[in-house]
Amino acid sequence: NAGVTQTPKFQVLKTGQSMTLQCAQDMNHEYMSWYRQDPGMGLRLIHYSVGAGITDQGEVPNGYNVSRSTTEDFPLRLLSAAPSQTSVYFCASSQGGNLNTEAFFGQGTRLTVV
Amino acid sequence: RKEVEQDPGPFNVPEGATVAFNCTYSNSASQSFFWYRQDCRKEPKLLMSVYSSGNEDGRFTAQLNRASQYISLLIRDSKLSDSATYLCVVKGTGGFKTIFGAGTRLFVKA
Repeated sequence: NAGVTQTPKFQVLKTGQSMTLQCAQDMNHEYMSWYRQDPGMGLRLIHYSVGAGITDQGEVPNGYNVSRSTTEDFPLRLLSAAPSQTSVYFCASSQGGNLNTEAFFGQGTRLTVV
Repeated sequence: RKEVEQDPGPFNVPEGATVAFNCTYSNSASQSFFWYRQDCRKEPKLLMSVYSSGNEDGRFTAQLNRASQYISLLIRDSKLSDSATYLCVVKGTGGFKTIFGAGTRLFVKA
């Protein structure tokens, strides 16, 4: 079972460049989300989606865009990378409509902006 | 104030020790609670859900106090393999917005 697949695993960007972090899940989960993890900060919610065509902002959405055209895919776009976006990014998915469902995470993308 | 706050850690304990982690949350409307475990440079994985009546899974016991908005995790008979970061997780109303605490680092030493 693939679960949640994130690509790339590592990326170095120059300030001002744009890129898309890919996230795909094969569990037919309704809910998908993006987090960033910085030392001492825990995981902070960037954007989330409760189903295809529906997205909403989390705690730290500035500088990021998302779309959800299919149930499987939830890409995260950095419009103009800044050094403050250096972080580890995790994509997660869970079954919708049930409060106690487990969130499954991808292996993370380590992004460095220079 | 952060929505979910945890003991800062790190906790350094010998093998066989009992260790407890605490977590508080600010949104009284929160409905679901979890503990996740994260190994170094890995993704978080579910350790256990937390129920109002308290629940146990082997050496791990989780408790929830809704009145005090407080969650705890107790690990008995610590093993070297328990060394990890433990994340307190709270789901808000609707079950979709999931907030993570900053995590508590545990080191178990031989």
